[in-house]
Amino acid sequence: AQTVTQSQPEMSVQEAETVTLSCTYDTSESDYYLFWYKQPPSRQMILVIRQEAYKQQNATENRFSVNFQKAAKSFSLKISDSQLGDAAMYFCAYRRFLYGGATNKLIFGTGTLLAVQP
Amino acid sequence: DTGVSQDPRHKITKRGQNVTFRCDPISEHNRLYWYRQTLGQGPEFLTYFQNEAQLEKSRLLSDRFSAERPKGSFSTLEIQRTEQGDSAMYLCASSLSVVAGKPNTEAFFGQGTRLTVV
Repeated sequence: AQTVTQSQPEMSVQEAETVTLSCTYDTSESDYYLFWYKQPPSRQMILVIRQEAYKQQNATENRFSVNFQKAAKSFSLKISDSQLGDAAMYFCAYRRFLYGGATNKLIFGTGTLLAVQP
Repeated sequence: DTGVSQDPRHKITKRGQNVTFRCDPISEHNRLYWYRQTLGQGPEFLTYFQNEAQLEKSRLLSDRFSAERPKGSFSTLEIQRTEQGDSAMYLCASSLSVVAGKPNTEAFFGQGTRLTVV
């Protein structure tokens, strides 16, 4: 079974600084997807960034980038130029690489609560 | 608002009562998921529909839980004989299976229904 581990329950960063959130996962599969989701207080979860395991290039979305280390099964999220609006719970998630009607459920870690200090 | 809508947002019920939650996915999204999120944990998969067919159920979904998606549009999640351990946030998500001819990986979440069993 696949598992996702986030070892940092809470993190704090100064506004405009850079922070890195850690995530490790365990799987025996070679093809899969990895995601970072953001869950602001009392608001819905939104997708921040995704990575296909077969792509060696790290995904980037504006101020958000990942460091994907497939051999180490590590998938960290770097937030540059942190803003007050980045404060939220961040979840790392895994999804199998399946087609057709097969499930594509997400397997989540326990989350990292990010605080942004003004 | 064309996002995923969940109703009610909050529900307080007495132990032993039945409750039903509703999820309206994004229009034309053929896949719909239910997750449960307890305090301090990431969301855990409960069940998945493709159109009206329930294709997968988690072992977390005991016999007291039932989900339907009768016309492949909205879905309901019913919990019978609620227990205190059922207290959690119940999240619904929807997605398209294919986008631009390729398997889609992005799921959109609702704000959830917070259930408190007293």
